[in-house]
Amino acid sequence: GDSVTQMEGPVTLSEEAFLTINCTYTATGYPSLFWYVQYPGEGLQLLLKATKADDKGSNKGFEATYRKETTSFHLEKGSVQVSDSAVYFCALSDQGGYQKVTFGTGTKLQVIP
Amino acid sequence: ETGVTQSPTHLIKTRGQQVTLRCSSQSGHNTVSWYQQALGQGPQFIFQYYREEENGRGNFPPRFSGLQFPNYSSELNVNALELDDSALYLCASSLARGMNTEAFFGQGTRLTVV
Repeated sequence: GDSVTQMEGPVTLSEEAFLTINCTYTATGYPSLFWYVQYPGEGLQLLLKATKADDKGSNKGFEATYRKETTSFHLEKGSVQVSDSAVYFCALSDQGGYQKVTFGTGTKLQVIP
Repeated sequence: ETGVTQSPTHLIKTRGQQVTLRCSSQSGHNTVSWYQQALGQGPQFIFQYYREEENGRGNFPPRFSGLQFPNYSSELNVNALELDDSALYLCASSLARGMNTEAFFGQGTRLTVV
């Protein structure tokens, strides 16, 4: 079945540091890939997405590129802020009969001033 | 355009009881999915409803059941609650078709079973 593996946290960075959160996936077919963010005490918000190979999703300074050859979708940001502190989930959605979303276990990011 | 709304936000139940959680989908969306997110884990797919019928199910026992209504809102029912059912329950709505389909999540219902 489908699965998503992402790097374990927590990740602690100083403000303005470079962020990378690794994500790899296993899926049949050609899934869509997502990064969701969850702030403390809140539900999930879609951060960015990519629907086909070599697509780059971007939002709020975050980027991720759909790499079919390495089955990866790593999240990057050039300069993190304290307000980026949250849990980040990598996820995929199959393109079959129903759009079930399969999530990774999440990576907690803490940015310190 | 309203987003996905869930009620209640928090709930405490006793082991063995039954619970009903509610979800209103985003305007125009005809598909609702439910997820269980245990503390420190990623959400796990419970099931999905499309046009009032169950359209897919994850690895959850039959005591987890659901309904979808003609206005596409949905309920999640859990019978014979167990302590391990304590979790954040998330509802997501989407359009069932299309390459750019994405799920929009509600804020969740935090269920505590004691």
